[in-house]
Amino acid sequence: GIQVEQSPPDLILQEGANSTLRCNFSDSVNNLQWFHQNPWGQLINLFYIPSGTKQNGRLSATTVATERYSLLYISSSQTTDSGVYFCAVLPNYGGSQGNLIFGKGTKLSVKP
Amino acid sequence: DAGVIQSPRHEVTEMGQEVTLRCKPISGHDYLFWYRQTMMRGLELLIYFNNNVPIDDSGMPEDRFSAKMPNASFSTLKIQPSEPRDSAVYFCASSFLAGGQETQYFGPGTRLLVL
Repeated sequence: GIQVEQSPPDLILQEGANSTLRCNFSDSVNNLQWFHQNPWGQLINLFYIPSGTKQNGRLSATTVATERYSLLYISSSQTTDSGVYFCAVLPNYGGSQGNLIFGKGTKLSVKP
Repeated sequence: DAGVIQSPRHEVTEMGQEVTLRCKPISGHDYLFWYRQTMMRGLELLIYFNNNVPIDDSGMPEDRFSAKMPNASFSTLKIQPSEPRDSAVYFCASSFLAGGQETQYFGPGTRLLVL
């Protein structure tokens, strides 16, 4: 099946710093989402981005589907950005419509 | 909208007991998903429904697990009998397919501990 690899696995930042999180996937996809799981466990959808670029405040994401990767940019990081960031994809090879495959996540810690 | 609602938020039970987790999806969403999250295996899809019909239950671990969706606003995930290895956080999510976009919205999760 499709492989989803996220890097780095762990990231420690000073407040105000910028960061880039990467998601590589091994096959073509027709759905890619980024999620943030906060320290209380809540999973929040950040972006639906199977291709192209989107921005939402300090966050932006870019997916280059032909090269099978997506990037999540966090600018001017804040302590509230801490948590785990997951990339999830839906393979494009006729699998179940809803079977999102999650990466193992990037654990981000932003220090004040 | 109140978002996806799950209950209970925490459940502690003893091995062998029946556990029932509940989910109310976002109104108007026609897809409902049950996930399990553990340290070892990460986030795994257990089963999902479309218009109240189970579509893919290949992620359900074994016959001890069952899920139902009797109507568009309610779903249950039942474990009978429960075992310590079932301890995990169980998430329910819902979505609707609009113009090819399917953004999943997650509930707060149920943290299950089986002793």
